[in-house]
Amino acid sequence: AQKVTQAQTEISVVEKEDVTLDCVYETRDTTYYLFWYKQPPSGELVFLIRRNSFDEQNEISGRYSWNFQKSTSSFNFTITASQVVDSAVYFCALSEASSGNQFYFGTGTSLTVIP
Amino acid sequence: NAGVTQTPKFQVLKTGQSMTLQCAQDMNHEYMSWYRQDPGMGLRLIHYSVGAGITDQGEVPNGYNVSRSTTEDFPLRLLSAAPSQTSVYFCASSSGGQGKTEAFFGQGTRLTVV
Repeated sequence: AQKVTQAQTEISVVEKEDVTLDCVYETRDTTYYLFWYKQPPSGELVFLIRRNSFDEQNEISGRYSWNFQKSTSSFNFTITASQVVDSAVYFCALSEASSGNQFYFGTGTSLTVIP
Repeated sequence: NAGVTQTPKFQVLKTGQSMTLQCAQDMNHEYMSWYRQDPGMGLRLIHYSVGAGITDQGEVPNGYNVSRSTTEDFPLRLLSAAPSQTSVYFCASSSGGQGKTEAFFGQGTRLTVV
């Protein structure tokens, strides 16, 4: 079974629109960590945020915000006032305390911001 | 800061050939891992290491070998390349165990097996 599901394969928005990328995870661990990574067209993977299972506070960093809800096993990512430079593939990932250093990645959401 | 360095960036192999993908990190991280990225499948873990001399299999280990003789280096060996191993390979390192810290990734190696 897929531990991390990103149901949105591709999203297109017009510049300055807000966009939310969905991430649903599955785990039986009580201690786990959630991550978002960005992969721009150049191909590298850029770390955006880490969240542990004991911290459900939402976080805002500039135009980026993250909504972590344990009740729905979701860790959604919102970009406010999107820009062309936000065009990338975004990956959500899960790491469980019981499985050591193993990261489980979702299949990614490709975001295109149209100028 | 070099971070995680992978070589080569691009490689074309013939079926049956062997090769080694190199990965080095200069952050003194204990944890290193190899992933492959295929279209529509995200990143899948091939092998990982929790420290020098210790390695373990991930989700898709068949056809690959690893070793970890030093903290800095974690090479990935393809024993007999197959077209199914055409992929983009990423090496990653992190300082904390159990996913406590983020993983830092190399720039990737695009491998084509013909």
